[in-house]
Amino acid sequence: GENVEQHPSTLSVQEGDSAVIKCTYSDSASNYFPWYKQELGKGPQLIIDIRSNVGEKKDQRIAVTLNKTAKHFSLHITETQPEDSAVYFCAATRNDMRFGAGTRLTVKP
Amino acid sequence: DAGVIQSPRHEVTEMGQEVTLRCKPISGHNSLFWYRQTMMRGLELLIYFNNNVPIDDSGMPEDRFSAKMPNASFSTLKIQPSEPRDSAVYFCASSSGTSVTTYQETQYFGPGTRLLVL
Repeated sequence: GENVEQHPSTLSVQEGDSAVIKCTYSDSASNYFPWYKQELGKGPQLIIDIRSNVGEKKDQRIAVTLNKTAKHFSLHITETQPEDSAVYFCAATRNDMRFGAGTRLTVKP
Repeated sequence: DAGVIQSPRHEVTEMGQEVTLRCKPISGHNSLFWYRQTMMRGLELLIYFNNNVPIDDSGMPEDRFSAKMPNASFSTLKIQPSEPRDSAVYFCASSSGTSVTTYQETQYFGPGTRLLVL
């Protein structure tokens, strides 16, 4: 089955800096890669996703890049704000959905 | 739309007791997922229904766990008997799509049920 590794496990940045979270996957047939944000006491919420036929996708301060050859994808958050503090999960899917272990992002004001 | 609704939000029970978690998916969604989240194992898919039919239950830990979806607007996850190692946050999520495409559709998560088994 699919195996997803996510790094780093924790990330602390200063407000206004950029944050990058990376994930690698094992199944080359995986074709959909969502990113979820989970705030304390809440369920994960989709923030951006990318499909295997696209290399990059951007939505305001958030972008995701996909390198199918290397089997890795990354989440980029620019101009970070304190409200970006949360746990972020990547996932890779084909016939199932496997989540990374999560990255706890802290944005210091 | 109210989103995915789960109840109860918190449950504390004693080992050996039966626990029933409930979920109401988003109206119009035909896929429903139950997940378990722990610090040790992260987010794990337990079971997934499409059009009220269980499609993949390979993640269900053991026979103590069972899930049902009697209609398109309601699902239950039951643990009987419960054990301390079942303590976790249980999420329900729903999405649109067929049984083949559903994993490529956005999943909307509920707020979760925090279960503590003493």
